[in-house]
Amino acid sequence: KAGVTQTPRYLIKTRGQQVTLSCSPISGHRSVSWYQQTPGQGLQFLFEYFSETQRNKGNFPGRFSGRQFSNSRSEMNVSTLELGDSALYLCASSQADRAGYTFGSGTRLTVV
Amino acid sequence: AQRVTQPEKLLSVFKGAPVELKCNYSYSGSPELFWYVQYSRQRLQLLLRHISRESIKGFTADLNKGETSFHLKKPFAQEEDSAMYYCALSANGNKLVFGAGTILRVKS
Repeated sequence: KAGVTQTPRYLIKTRGQQVTLSCSPISGHRSVSWYQQTPGQGLQFLFEYFSETQRNKGNFPGRFSGRQFSNSRSEMNVSTLELGDSALYLCASSQADRAGYTFGSGTRLTVV
Repeated sequence: AQRVTQPEKLLSVFKGAPVELKCNYSYSGSPELFWYVQYSRQRLQLLLRHISRESIKGFTADLNKGETSFHLKKPFAQEEDSAMYYCALSANGNKLVFGAGTILRVKS
């Protein structure tokens, strides 16, 4: 059974640009969540999607957005990148509420 | 507000010694608690869930609602247990609130 797949693994972007990250969940998992991991703030919840609907949202500015497709694949977008957006972005999928997540390897975003 | 506190940034023990990684939480509802582990250069992975009351790799964790704690324990540490451990609370569906994490170093 394939795990959670995130692409790309690494990205370098310039301030002011925008970026799109992709996540393919485990087959059959309908809930997909995104987290930002930084040394200073740790793991912070961005948003969760279930059946193409955003069900939960964390405390991030509107520059951070996401969506989920009918096949449960998800994308997150960050517009007008800032240096502070440099982080490891993790995607996770779950089979059911409160069942625990399976995480992907993450996308390492560096903003210069 | 939901909050998870892991008071130790680093816990260093000798091989064969008992391990206890502390986790305290703040949540007004009925919590679902997890321990996740991240070994060096590997992805974050679920270690155990409180609701399943299982033992994984010799680790156990008991939910103490009176003390709002969910400490992770292992009677005899092994070198391969060295990793970053995160305690997490599930709130509002599938949103996970993580603690800051504790690095466990098992010395030979």
